Amino acid sequence: GENVEQHPSTLSVQEGDSAVIKCTYSDSASNYFPWYKQELGKGPQLIIDIRSNVGEKKDQRIAVTLNKTAKHFSLHITETQPEDSAVYFCAATGQFYFGTGTSLTVIP
Amino acid sequence: NAGVMQNPRHLVRRRGQEARLRCSPMKGHSHVYWYRQLPEEGLKFMVYLQKENIIDESGMPKERFSAEFPKEGPSILRIQQVVRGDSAAYFCASSTTQGLTDTQYFGPGTRLTVL
Repeated sequence: GENVEQHPSTLSVQEGDSAVIKCTYSDSASNYFPWYKQELGKGPQLIIDIRSNVGEKKDQRIAVTLNKTAKHFSLHITETQPEDSAVYFCAATGQFYFGTGTSLTVIP
Repeated sequence: NAGVMQNPRHLVRRRGQEARLRCSPMKGHSHVYWYRQLPEEGLKFMVYLQKENIIDESGMPKERFSAEFPKEGPSILRIQQVVRGDSAAYFCASSTTQGLTDTQYFGPGTRLTVL
């Protein structure tokens, strides 16, 4: 089965700086990689996703990059704001396999 | 279009009681997934269902846990004879087609506390 590792587990950045979260996966057949944001007391919300036929996708301040050869993908948040503070999860393919989460804190 | 709905949002049970968690998928979605999240941990897959069918229950404990998604009505996750270790947040997600490449949309979760 798939194994998804996510780093770092916690991340603190100053408002306006960039944040990067990385995930690696083990199953070379994986071809869909979503990212979810979970705020306290709420369910995960999809923020961006990427499929294996592209290497990068961007949506305003959020971007995701995928390196299929190295089996890793990353979430990039630029110009961070306090409201970006949350737990972020990556997932691979069937979404049955989630990373362990990254708690992001943006310091005003 | 209403999102995924779960109820109750909070559920308190004493050890040995039964817990029933309900999930109504988004309109037009026929695939439902249940996940469990322990405090400070990630999401763990439990079961994947379509209407009247269990597709994958590899993540669900063999005893005391069961799930269904009837032809009419919400999906139900049932936990019999609850123990303290069952205390967690249980999330339901739904998608339009088979989940391997389709986006899953999550509900707000049910927080189960076992006393």
